[in-house]
Order: sequence, then C-alpha cells, then structure tokens
Amino acid sequence: KQEVTQIPAALSVPEGENLVLNCSFTDSAIYNLQWFRQDPGKGLTSLLLIQSSQREQTSGRLNASLDKSSGRSTLYIAASQPGDSATYLCAVEDSNYQLIWGAGTKLIIKP
Amino acid sequence: NAGVMQNPRHLVRRRGQEARLRCSPMKGHSHVYWYRQLPEEGLKFMVYLQKENIIDESGMPKERFSAEFPKEGPSILRIQQVVRGDSAAYFCASSLDLSPSSSGELFFGEGSRLTVL
Repeated sequence: KQEVTQIPAALSVPEGENLVLNCSFTDSAIYNLQWFRQDPGKGLTSLLLIQSSQREQTSGRLNASLDKSSGRSTLYIAASQPGDSATYLCAVEDSNYQLIWGAGTKLIIKP
Repeated sequence: NAGVMQNPRHLVRRRGQEARLRCSPMKGHSHVYWYRQLPEEGLKFMVYLQKENIIDESGMPKERFSAEFPKEGPSILRIQQVVRGDSAAYFCASSLDLSPSSSGELFFGEGSRLTVL
C-alpha cells in the first residue's frame, strides 16, 4: 500500500533563504508526482508535475526533483518570499490512477 | 474562464441533518474527483466520477455518503445523517482526461467546509 510522508511538518525561515521540502513514498511504481500549494481557507494550486520518466521540473523559483528508486522527491524554493507562506502538499499517482497524498509541510516565511 | 466551482463554501449542519456539496468542473472537463481533508491531515480520495458514472468509489464510506455527476448540472456529494466526525473540508477536482497523468494536472476548487454541530 502506497504511503506518502512529508518532512518537516512545519518550517519557519527568514525571507530570502533557500529551502528544501521533502516528500517520500514507499512504492516506486508511480505514474507521476505532483507538488501543490494550499493557502489557508483556499483550494489547491498545482505547482509542478514530474512524470515517472523525469528527474526534475522547474518553474520560476521552484525546482522539484524525483528519485523513484529511493522513493523521494524534493521541492526547492529559491530566495523565499513572505508570499510563499502556505502549506505544500505532494501527491503521487499510483498504478491505479489514484492520487496518494502527504499530510503537507506548513511553511512560514518571516519578513 | 471559471475554474472549478464549489458551493457552498461553508456549511453548518446539526447532527442528523443532510449535507449537499456541489461541484461544477472546469469547462470541458468530464472527470470529477472528490477529496476530504480532515484537520491537520492530508487529502484523502473519496470518489472519481465521469458523467453519469461512478468510476471509483473506493474511498467513500460505505454508509451515509453518496456522489453523483449527472448529465446536466454539477456533481453532488451528499452526506446523510451527518455526525461530528464528518466535519472537514471537501475538495473537488476536475481533469480533462481519463487519468490525471494524461492531462498532467488536476484543477481544484476552493473547497466546501462542513461543520457539524
């Protein structure tokens, strides 16, 4: 049974720092992995999607990597800004086309 | 260019009442997914529907919960005889293709927050 874990559960850093969020999964048989952002009281916004054949994806200050063999993905945020404060969720699409979600990392960027 | 629309955004019900949550997918999308998020927990899949068909309901509780996606109109998630444990945020998402991996992206609504008193 696929399980997705995100560490840390919460993170607080000063503005301007580069940071890494971690996501691990137990079964490497995945179709893709996605990173989402959730703002308080809001819906989810898709940030990056990495297909199983890819190693990384980049969008602006965000870079996500995928290592299927070790069951890990990282989301790298460069030059963090207060507007980056949100909960970041990763989800893997398993062989049954279901998304399995992590519990998220709550990120606070201090001005 | 409306995204996925959910209503109501907030719903308060007393124990034993019924809750109906609605989701209108993005224009042109015929695949709808419902997720539940309990406080401090990750999203949990509930049900995947296409127009007039339930494709996968493996995440739905066996009792009191039902979902539909009629030919016309929004998808409805219905919870009968609500209990306090049903208090959660319910998210709807839509996609264009059969599998999220085909389209590359799920589009989420802003959620409906159910509070059961």
